[in-house]
Amino acid sequence: AQSVTQPDIHITVSEGASLELRCNYSYGATPYLFWYVQSPGQGLQLLLKYFSGDTLVQGIKGFEAEFKRSQSSFNLRKPSVHWSDAAEYFCAVGEGDSSYKLIFGSGTRLLVRP
Amino acid sequence: DAGVIQSPRHEVTEMGQEVTLRCKPISGHNSLFWYRQTMMRGLELLIYFNNNVPIDDSGMPEDRFSAKMPNASFSTLKIQPSEPRDSAVYFCASSRLDSGNTIYFGEGSWLTVV
Repeated sequence: AQSVTQPDIHITVSEGASLELRCNYSYGATPYLFWYVQSPGQGLQLLLKYFSGDTLVQGIKGFEAEFKRSQSSFNLRKPSVHWSDAAEYFCAVGEGDSSYKLIFGSGTRLLVRP
Repeated sequence: DAGVIQSPRHEVTEMGQEVTLRCKPISGHNSLFWYRQTMMRGLELLIYFNNNVPIDDSGMPEDRFSAKMPNASFSTLKIQPSEPRDSAVYFCASSRLDSGNTIYFGEGSWLTVV
């Protein structure tokens, strides 16, 4: 069965520092991959997605992610974190060849030190 | 444009009572999703509608749960009778299949069953 693993439950970074959130998936073919962000008490907002093509994907709010097939990874990065980035981040993969039935990781909570 | 609108935002109910959660998708979207978020199980897809027709309800936990979409602008998720283990955040989301399958989430309905 497909799965998504986000190995870090919490990550704390200083404001202005760089950020990388890890995501690993299990799926034999090329998956549909997504990163969502959830602020407290809010719904999920799509940051970026990968369907095919260029493996480096640019998203909103200065985020990017790189699809690495050899490592089954889709890590999220940001060069300089802002205090407003503190939130929970979810990686998701489309189940099978579906781009709508998403399997979510357990999330990584980002804390930003002033 | 208005996003996905859910009501109620918060509900506290007693075990055994009927709960109805409501959702208005983004105008023009033809796919609607109900997700549930809990600490233990994370985000799970409950049911997916396309053009008002339920396509995949394999995530609906049991017969106490039912979902309807009588028209393109309204959906309900009903729990009858409710149990404490149903306490969760229920998200409605919508998408337009020709928009690259970006799924837009509502802000959620926070349900507590006591």
